[in-house]
Amino acid sequence: QKEVEQNSGPLSVPEGAIASLNCTYSDRGSQSFFWYRQYSGKSPELIMSIYSNGDKEDGRFTAQLNKASQYVSLLIRDSQPSDSATYLCAPLGYGNKLVFGAGTILRVKS
Amino acid sequence: DGGITQSPKYLFRKEGQNVTLSCEQNLNHDAMYWYRQDPGQGLRLIYYSQIVNDFQKGDIAEGYSVSREKKESFPLTVTSAQKNPTAFYLCASSSPGDRGGDGYTFGSGTRLTVV
Repeated sequence: QKEVEQNSGPLSVPEGAIASLNCTYSDRGSQSFFWYRQYSGKSPELIMSIYSNGDKEDGRFTAQLNKASQYVSLLIRDSQPSDSATYLCAPLGYGNKLVFGAGTILRVKS
Repeated sequence: DGGITQSPKYLFRKEGQNVTLSCEQNLNHDAMYWYRQDPGQGLRLIYYSQIVNDFQKGDIAEGYSVSREKKESFPLTVTSAQKNPTAFYLCASSSPGDRGGDGYTFGSGTRLTVV
């Protein structure tokens, strides 16, 4: 079992729809979780962090965390073509190191 | 502005040659990391350093070496022992703090190609 599992996609959504990106992790000790966006050929950029169970909203982005189910998700409302990218889930693991999933490719069609 | 600078952006290596990738940060971060990314794959940790003059191997350290003589700098050498070095190399830094701080800040990356 991989430490961090993400559906590789591509996930295709029409412009204006809600994109839902999911991630499961194996380390029950993880307490902090980060979502990164990576455009093709570019480096990852941080878009959200979440530490507590429940929802955290920031603009069009909402991160959801359920530690009992070892599940974290990212919702993107009103998806735009500029949101087309790979989204990386990264729980904070042992030794304060982030463990990255392989990422989900999101394609927003106009 | 604070950030991480990686150079060069593109690097070509001949068979049997050692090359060094530069990573410099002015964020005053204690921890620095090197990742490798292959097409369509996630990030794999090569080496990391949490304080000056100390570093640890990551998941794929074979064929690579690093040094951490200054807080700001964490260069990565890709040695001739690395048989398949063609990849996108990413340097990152963090100031862990409580609950992992603000995560990692990444440099813009170096794309290494063997010719």
